[in-house]
This record gives sequence, structure tokens and C-alpha cells, in this order.
Amino acid sequence: ILNVEQSPQSLHVQEGDSTNFTCSFPSSNFYALHWYRWETAKSPEALFVMTLNGDEKKKGRISATLNTKEGYSYLYIKGSQPEDSATYLCAFKGLSNFGNEKLTFGTGTRLTIIP
Amino acid sequence: DGGITQSPKYLFRKEGQNVTLSCEQNLNHDAMYWYRQDPGQGLRLIYYSQIVNDFQKGDIAEGYSVSREKKESFPLTVTSAQKNPTAFYLCASSPGQGARNEQFFGPGTRLTVL
Repeated sequence: ILNVEQSPQSLHVQEGDSTNFTCSFPSSNFYALHWYRWETAKSPEALFVMTLNGDEKKKGRISATLNTKEGYSYLYIKGSQPEDSATYLCAFKGLSNFGNEKLTFGTGTRLTIIP
Repeated sequence: DGGITQSPKYLFRKEGQNVTLSCEQNLNHDAMYWYRQDPGQGLRLIYYSQIVNDFQKGDIAEGYSVSREKKESFPLTVTSAQKNPTAFYLCASSPGQGARNEQFFGPGTRLTVL
């Protein structure tokens, strides 16, 4: 079983502050790295899918970077708002003999924005 | 509306009974997945299917069974052999092969075995 780790496990951030958290994953057999946002009482939704070393993706105030050689990705949130409160999951997709559709998820970072 | 539906939202069963969780999608996706979430743990893959009439075990398949007779449906049966079945179960789908294919998730079913 692959090891995908996220840190910190939980985070409280004052509204308006910026924050970031980490996902680390195996640096071998890399195929893709996904980020999902999971709000309470809703389904997880994809934020980013990243495939190339050095990739940077941005959606509004949220951005992500990818380093496949060292096996980590950072998610940044600029100017946090209450609606950013959610659990953020990263998921690693590696190459496998059965094709490449399996995702291995981290345990998530639970972000709470304090008004 | 296109999406994934899971039913029921909450399910209670007595110990020793098999129970089947429903997952339906109208996104015309080839691949479907079942995950389990327990407190303090990430989503763990139970089974996945990349095409109709074919499926593979995930990381924690013991005590579970699936079928994929139709493209839009991927039911999960939690059998009496599953030692700790109380958990939150999520179904997902994706278009299929390809690194960039994100997964789309249903609302989940919370199963409690009494």
C-alpha cells in the first residue's frame, strides 16, 4: 500500500490570512496528483489534477505546486474566507499493471477559517 | 442533472446480515469506485471497475463484493465476513483511462451495524 501523507492534520486560520499545507507521496512511478476539497455534508470535488514536475495550478485564491522528483505538493490559499473551511484531500495516482486509474488518498487537512 | 447518486444516505443493519449499497451514475463514465472512510483515515479503495463486467480489488476488498452489469451501476455488498462494517462509504466515477481524469463523488452512505 502506497504512503500518501498530508500535514498538518488540522489547521485554524483567521479570516483574511493566507495558509498552505503539504502532501507528500512516492517519487517513483508517478503519474498524477489530485487535490480535492470536501466540505461538510457535501461530496468531495476536484480542485486540481497535476501531472508534470513543476506544475502550478490556480483557481481563484487557491493554487497548488508540484514537485515529482522529491514527492511533494503544496496547496496555498490566499486571503482565507469562511467558505474555504473544508477538508482538503490529496490523492496520488501511480502507474500499475492494471492501467492507471487507482488513486491513493492522504488523510486530509481539515481547515477551519475563524471569522 | 448529471451526477452520482447513492442510496440510502443512512443504513442500519444487524450484525451478520449482508447489505447492498447502491451507486448509480448518469455521466457516461467508464470507471467506477468504492471507498470507505473511517475517522482519522483517508479514503481507502475497496473495489474499482474500469469497464462493464470487469472489476478489481482495491486495498481493503475482504468482506465486500461488487458487480458491474451495467455501465451506470456499481452496487457494493457488505457481507457478514466484513469484520468492522460500520463506516462511511463513498462511490465515485471517472471518464476512464488517463492521468487527468478526476473522480466525481456521490453523497455517500453511512452504514451502521448494530
